[in-house]
Amino acid sequence: KQEVTQIPAALSVPEGENLVLNCSFTDSAIYNLQWFRQDPGKGLTSLLLIQSSQREQTSGRLNASLDKSSGRSTLYIAASQPGDSATYLCAVPSGGYQKVTFGTGTKLQVIP
Amino acid sequence: DTAVSQTPKYLVTQMGNDKSIKCEQNLGHDTMYWYKQDSKKFLKIMFSYNNKELIINETVPNRFSPKSPDKAHLNLHINSLELGDSAVYFCASSLQGTFYEQYFGPGTRLTVT
Repeated sequence: KQEVTQIPAALSVPEGENLVLNCSFTDSAIYNLQWFRQDPGKGLTSLLLIQSSQREQTSGRLNASLDKSSGRSTLYIAASQPGDSATYLCAVPSGGYQKVTFGTGTKLQVIP
Repeated sequence: DTAVSQTPKYLVTQMGNDKSIKCEQNLGHDTMYWYKQDSKKFLKIMFSYNNKELIINETVPNRFSPKSPDKAHLNLHINSLELGDSAVYFCASSLQGTFYEQYFGPGTRLTVT
């Protein structure tokens, strides 16, 4: 059974700081790994998807890496802004592309 | 242009009632999902449909019955609602050609009193 853990559960940083969010999974037979953000009371917004054969993906100030062998992914946010404040979730399909397991989430607060 | 839409956005009902939540996607995706987000914000998959066929049913009580009339729609019907069914329900969709990148609807907040 896939288990996905995100550390830390909450993070508070001053504006402009670079930061790293972590996602760990127990079953390395994953199809891909997707990072989302969720704003309070809202749905999930896809940030980045890394295919199982890839090592990293970049979009603007965001960079996500994937190390399947160690069961880890990181989301790097450069020059954080107050608008980045949200909960960040990682998700992995395993045992079939449709059996998706979500992580426990990291709640990020960027202080102006 | 709404990609994945859900109705209603809020649903308040009493225990024992039957209710439905509708989901529609206009992305041309072939796979749709239902998720439940509990009070601790943990997201758990309930169902997955591919081309109108049920693929995954993650030990959901049989009071929950998904219905997919076509590839663009996946509705969720819930019978005999219980207090523990109170949660936010999210619909999502994906496509094999884009490595099953998921797109989510805005969610339906269900409150059972």
